[in-house]
Amino acid sequence: DAGVIQSPRHEVTEMGQEVTLRCKPISGHDYLFWYRQTMMRGLELLIYFNNNVPIDDSGMPEDRFSAKMPNASFSTLKIQPSEPRDSAVYFCASSLVVGFTRDTGELFFGEGSRLTVL
Amino acid sequence: DAKTTQPPSMDCAEGRAANLPCNHSTISGNEYVYWYRQIHSQGPQYIIHGLKNNETNEMASLIITEDRKSSTLILPHATLRDTAVYYCIVRDSGGGADGLTFGKGTHLIIQP
Repeated sequence: DAGVIQSPRHEVTEMGQEVTLRCKPISGHDYLFWYRQTMMRGLELLIYFNNNVPIDDSGMPEDRFSAKMPNASFSTLKIQPSEPRDSAVYFCASSLVVGFTRDTGELFFGEGSRLTVL
Repeated sequence: DAKTTQPPSMDCAEGRAANLPCNHSTISGNEYVYWYRQIHSQGPQYIIHGLKNNETNEMASLIITEDRKSSTLILPHATLRDTAVYYCIVRDSGGGADGLTFGKGTHLIIQP
């Protein structure tokens, strides 16, 4: 099992450019989460999907951020236009829920995408 | 609003047991206690979780007080690789998944 795969691992871009981060969840997982981590704000949940459908996007900071999950094996987080304050590590995570009594609630995280906006 | 309170940092000598406390005085009856850790530059990693009873796995033990208002994560023989930020999280596991809300955690430093 390859785990959650994120790309790119590092991205350096200039303010105003479009940034696309990619995530491949663990096969068979029903839930996919996007988090952002900064020193100031820690780990923040941006959005999560269940069966490819966005369930809660209340953490998305503003309209410049958008996330899609066109199929069960792929998701993108797009920032357009990017700003220096978007510099952070973006994590994708996935989980499998099999029912109340057996739900371990374990989220499997990728290694993250470190974004630097100059 | 933070549901848990943890000390910002702790030290522990290598080979000794590391005991990480967590207060969750407002926990409700159907909320579980989860522990994750984040080693520098990596994604968070699940450690253990529990509802009422004490739990043990290959990584750690979780001791939950009888009133469930606090818990302790125990790493029985800490190694240098256990240096990380440890997050205590309470989460309702009522039939579905939702995103975990991470607080600031405890930065555990294992001293050689």
